[in-house]
Amino acid sequence: EVQVVESGGGLVQPGGSLRLSCAASGFTFSAYSMNWVRQAPGKGLEWVSSISSSGTIYYADSVKGRFTISRDNAKNSLYLQMNSLRDEDTAVYYCARYFDHWGQGTLVTVSS
Amino acid sequence: DIVLTQSPGTLSLSPGERATLSCRASQSVSSSYLAWYQQKPGQAPRLLIYGASSRASGIPDRFSGSGSGTDFTLTISRLEPEDFAVYYCQKYGSSPPFTFGPGTKVDIK
Repeated sequence: EVQVVESGGGLVQPGGSLRLSCAASGFTFSAYSMNWVRQAPGKGLEWVSSISSSGTIYYADSVKGRFTISRDNAKNSLYLQMNSLRDEDTAVYYCARYFDHWGQGTLVTVSS
Repeated sequence: DIVLTQSPGTLSLSPGERATLSCRASQSVSSSYLAWYQQKPGQAPRLLIYGASSRASGIPDRFSGSGSGTDFTLTISRLEPEDFAVYYCQKYGSSPPFTFGPGTKVDIK
């Protein structure tokens, strides 16, 4: 069974940093592109970042230069390093295999 | 960047009725890399349709997708109680950003 499980969310002050992790199982992790998608409270879905199986990386303009996506195929894990966090980064962050299997999300709250 | 517009914003229907949801793109979506998702409160999105018209694994056949270019439609032939939710379209593929539409809420009339 395909599973992706996010962790690492929490409360952080504006300007702070946080690192999200996504543990994958049930599929050949190295063969798939992986994505981070977020959803602010009461709002719609926003694509954040993608990393392909070959390591090609893309970011949404709203996070470019502040967030870094990475993967460790040996550990079947995806990461999102978030720096210079802003109030508007408050959201549930979802990890998704391609876009066909999604985790349950981890909540990031940026507030003083 | 491609912008996706969904209509209507809210669709009020009764169980058993047919639902027709629209997604319009500001530019042509290449190779029909258009997906539809269902999201219920407190849950992650679930992939329903990919490639504009292919049902994802385990999705009932009352869900169907159609369209090409800039105009796409999600149809639910007969609404079941569990189908009342928010539906999003998304442009994906090899050219980011992988934009989502604002969503259509299907609620019980």
